[in-house]
Amino acid sequence: QVQLQQSGPGLVKPSQTLSLTCAISGDSVSSNSVAWNWIRQSPSRGLEWLGRTFYRSRWYYDYAVSVKSRITINPDTSKNQFSLHLNSVTPEDTAFYYCTRDRGSYYPFDYWGQGTLVTVSS
Amino acid sequence: DIQMTQSPSSLSASVGDRVTISCRASQGISSHLAWWQQKPGKVPKLLISAASTLQSGVPSRFSGSGSGTDFTLTISSLQPEDVAIYYCQKYDSAPWTFGQGSKVGIK
Repeated sequence: QVQLQQSGPGLVKPSQTLSLTCAISGDSVSSNSVAWNWIRQSPSRGLEWLGRTFYRSRWYYDYAVSVKSRITINPDTSKNQFSLHLNSVTPEDTAFYYCTRDRGSYYPFDYWGQGTLVTVSS
Repeated sequence: DIQMTQSPSSLSASVGDRVTISCRASQGISSHLAWWQQKPGKVPKLLISAASTLQSGVPSRFSGSGSGTDFTLTISSLQPEDVAIYYCQKYDSAPWTFGQGSKVGIK
């Protein structure tokens, strides 16, 4: 059974970097048949996919246009986890953040982390 | 990017009523559409994939139909435990996008 355990601060100051980690059990971050995603949810923006990373002989990354200039998703094979870094945050980035897994294009997300509420405020 | 538009944004119906939610994609996505149910404070739960495939353990009163650009989620007999927000989501190719949600309540 795959489990995704999120960790990271719930409060970030404006202009700083939001960083969250998703620890994977029951699968490998470097599996060549799945992808690892970050999604967020807020009342104003609804459910918004932010980006993903996946390994197919090398690492690939896809990012949403809305955050492309500010986002980095990093896999960490030594700890079997992946992370989200979103820089230059504003109050608009306040949201629940989720990590998820999918089995590639043509498959929906099948596992979700528990969610982390991140508030951007001074 | 392909946009997903749901209607209605909210509805109230009586227990036992048939409820229908629509989802329209701005471009064709074949049958690569999922329906999610989200209850307050919970992670979204997958109800239907491939537009019409009911996930294991999901009550048979839920059904999905459609392909291309127009999709429908139907609850054949609304139950109190179905109070939730329902989202459609395309997953043919990145970026994955969700509809804005349809809130279902009981009259």
